[in-house]
Amino acid sequence: AQSVTQPDIHITVSEGASLELRCNYSYGATPYLFWYVQSPGQGLQLLLKYFSGDTLVQGIKGFEAEFKRSQSSFNLRKPSVHWSDAAEYFCAVGAYNTDKLIFGTGTRLQVFP
Amino acid sequence: DADVTQTPRNRITKTGKRIMLECSQTKGHDRMYWYRQDPGLGLRLIYYSFDVKDINKGEISDGYSVSRQAQAKFSLSLESAIPNQTALYFCATSDGGTQPQHFGDGTRLSIL
Repeated sequence: AQSVTQPDIHITVSEGASLELRCNYSYGATPYLFWYVQSPGQGLQLLLKYFSGDTLVQGIKGFEAEFKRSQSSFNLRKPSVHWSDAAEYFCAVGAYNTDKLIFGTGTRLQVFP
Repeated sequence: DADVTQTPRNRITKTGKRIMLECSQTKGHDRMYWYRQDPGLGLRLIYYSFDVKDINKGEISDGYSVSRQAQAKFSLSLESAIPNQTALYFCATSDGGTQPQHFGDGTRLSIL
């Protein structure tokens, strides 16, 4: 069965610092993977997705993620965090034959000035 | 206008009441989903529909029902609400395959 683990419940960084949010998945075949961001009072907004090809994918707002099959990981990175990046981030994995997503439990990012 | 619209945005009600949450979309997607979000648990799938005649249970469907009135409309009902159904509910749509899901802004439901 598919599963997604986001090991960090809460991360705090200073504005301007680099960021890496971890995501590990379990799936028997090549998955397709997403990162979403949720700002307070809003729905989930897609940051980026991976389903094939280049394992380093670029997203919106300066985010990128790298798919590492050997580590079953899809970590989200940003070189310099802005205060507006404070939000909750969700990793999700999908299977090609189900059209459903499994979400991780989320990582809440706090940014200090 | 939003592509995926959920109504109401907030609702407070009492135990035992029947509640309906509505979702409409202008994206033209066939696939629609209902999730609930609880702190520390992420999003969990309640029901999903791949077209008007295709309704499927998700991982936590007990206590809920759905209706797909048209391609663009997918409503979620709580027949007799209970306090542990207090949560944030999201509707999402998708074109299927590897395409991402698109989310509404959510309905915050509180059951007293």
